[in-house]
Amino acid sequence: GAGVSQSPSNKVTEKGKDVELRCDPISGHTALYWYRQSLGQGLEFLIYFQGNSAPDKSGLPSDRFSAERTGGSVSTLTIQRTQQEDSAVYLCASSLGLVGSGGGEQFFGPGTRLTVL
Amino acid sequence: AQSVTQLGSHVSVSEGALVLLRCNYSSSVPPYLFWYVQYPNQGLQLLLKYTTGATLVKGINGFEAEFKKSETSFHLTKPSAHMSDAAEYFCAVSLRNTGGFKTIFGAGTRLFVKA
Repeated sequence: GAGVSQSPSNKVTEKGKDVELRCDPISGHTALYWYRQSLGQGLEFLIYFQGNSAPDKSGLPSDRFSAERTGGSVSTLTIQRTQQEDSAVYLCASSLGLVGSGGGEQFFGPGTRLTVL
Repeated sequence: AQSVTQLGSHVSVSEGALVLLRCNYSSSVPPYLFWYVQYPNQGLQLLLKYTTGATLVKGINGFEAEFKKSETSFHLTKPSAHMSDAAEYFCAVSLRNTGGFKTIFGAGTRLFVKA
């Protein structure tokens, strides 16, 4: 596809369950980012991938959060034992990374809205 | 460490009035600068960016921003607001490092346009 896609678009889960959120970046984009946007809040950085490695995991809020990226493409963000405070929109973005002259311009997906009951 | 400050979490203007959204950054080296816009119930999209060259950059929908190194600012302006400009606007700073680009977003400014 032409843009960044995320699935599912909406996820409702019960407290304590695990969830997996998926991100398909733009083909050829080596960098991939995950952010969290809570209601009325700005963007909270979670993790960044360059290729399959994650040089910056500093934003992951707890050890219940993890992410992986395989084949330099698809990424999965996993939240274990979900809590109500995990409810938010999770945004994925990709960029050319060090390739190109875009200065790290990011292209965002539509997000996954997670609701933890 | 780099940081981004957007002055005013909410800005309200009348239709046809000047829009000014402020963004200041701190960085030890010249950064790349971006403004992103998020319309209601939509994802973020790039409005404009400064990488190199001319310090006044023009974006979509009549917006422009000027990089002022001496003031460490990258304020967003539009001469005449339209109702469709109502959205949340995010300023971002990006620095090149060994792993790629590290990007920091401001907290966002929600723009309201009154008829």
